[in-house]
Amino acid sequence: NAGVTQTPKFQVLKTGQSMTLQCAQDMNHNSMYWYRQDPGMGLRLIYYSASEGTTDKGEVPNGYNVSRLNKREFSLRLESAAPSQTSVYFCASGIGDRANTEAFFGQGTRLTVV
Amino acid sequence: GNSVTQMEGPVTLSEEAFLTINCTYTATGYPSLFWYVQYPGEGLQLLLKATKADDKGSNKGFEATYRKETTSFHLEKGSVQVSDSAVYFCALLSGGYNKLIFGAGTRLAVHP
Repeated sequence: NAGVTQTPKFQVLKTGQSMTLQCAQDMNHNSMYWYRQDPGMGLRLIYYSASEGTTDKGEVPNGYNVSRLNKREFSLRLESAAPSQTSVYFCASGIGDRANTEAFFGQGTRLTVV
Repeated sequence: GNSVTQMEGPVTLSEEAFLTINCTYTATGYPSLFWYVQYPGEGLQLLLKATKADDKGSNKGFEATYRKETTSFHLEKGSVQVSDSAVYFCALLSGGYNKLIFGAGTRLAVHP
């Protein structure tokens, strides 16, 4: 059971470089999320997608873009990385139904921008 | 806007001690409430949930009751173990917006 798969697990970028974090889920979930986790700040929502073809900004969207390529995949792109984007990034998915939603998380991507 | 406030950690306890981690929320309407746990080096996983007022979620000896009158969802366990050492996150799901909002997390360290 793969669940939510994120790639890569680790990445080091230089300031100004771009990269895409990939996320795929095999649970037929409607909703998908990207979070960043920083010490003392918990998880902050970057973007989310309630269904295929829709995306919405979360709390901290600046400097990021997303694509909901299909129901399975939700990618996060950093166009010009900055040191402030050093963080651990988590992708998650859920059914999207209020009464039944449980979010399933990937293992995370540890990104360092130097 | 919607938000979740948790007690600051770290919380350090001896094995078999009683645990309480406070969580309060601000939300419009009637959100669903969750506790997630993150073990070292892993992603988050659901610990328990409650979807309406007065519901009690429970799992692995942990419990939390949805208190609408105090907008709280405090996590409790009667006797903690070393294996409970982790970071615990309180979260809410706002039905109208279909997104999970997390608190800052509380680190729990249990010593033998």
